[in-house]
Amino acid sequence: DARVTQTPRDKVTEMGQEVTMRCQPILGHNTVFWYRQTMMQGLELLAYFRNRAPLDDSGMPKDRFSAEMPDATLATLKIQPSEPRDSAVYFCASGLSSWGDTEAFFGQGTRLTVV
Amino acid sequence: GQQVMQIPQYQHVQEGEDFTTYCNSSTTLSNIQWYKQRPGGHPVFLIQLVKSGEVKKQKRLTFQFGEAKKNSSLHITATQTTDVGTYFCAGPPGFGNEKLTFGTGTRLTIIP
Repeated sequence: DARVTQTPRDKVTEMGQEVTMRCQPILGHNTVFWYRQTMMQGLELLAYFRNRAPLDDSGMPKDRFSAEMPDATLATLKIQPSEPRDSAVYFCASGLSSWGDTEAFFGQGTRLTVV
Repeated sequence: GQQVMQIPQYQHVQEGEDFTTYCNSSTTLSNIQWYKQRPGGHPVFLIQLVKSGEVKKQKRLTFQFGEAKKNSSLHITATQTTDVGTYFCAGPPGFGNEKLTFGTGTRLTIIP
């Protein structure tokens, strides 16, 4: 049963600490998305990759957020330094893109709390 | 940038009543996708519409894609408690562009 795996599921950290969230996309998928979900902002697209290349990260605060795909089986989202306003659920999703018709398969999410 | 709005934001219905959510994009979409997120869960893909004016049905759910490919709707007939959740539309802005922007969502609650 292929699925997107995210770790950790929950993370509580102190303000100023570095946070790293990891995502294992479904094998064979070539597109990876990072979304942030809050009650106020809904599902915000932070960044997405195709064939491991970053195509758009305009939704991401550049000064503290970074997203990478070291290899095809791992995507990471880092926040340094973290702030209380970063508290949210972060979802990774992957898809097999063909001319833009990507159905996104979501992971379970990482619930981040910054205190 | 592209904005995708949904109305209503919340909908409470009696079990057995119908429900409709509307989705409007500020830009033309190459396709429209619909997702459902159960409380505490993650978004799950329901369906994709590609053609202008397309209508698709899944049991009690009917999905429509507007003629101008900028709006869409989801209609649920005779809601059941299992329909509870937030319904999102999502779409990439253009052909060959995978930037999947999600709508603001409509949260459906069912009164038994």
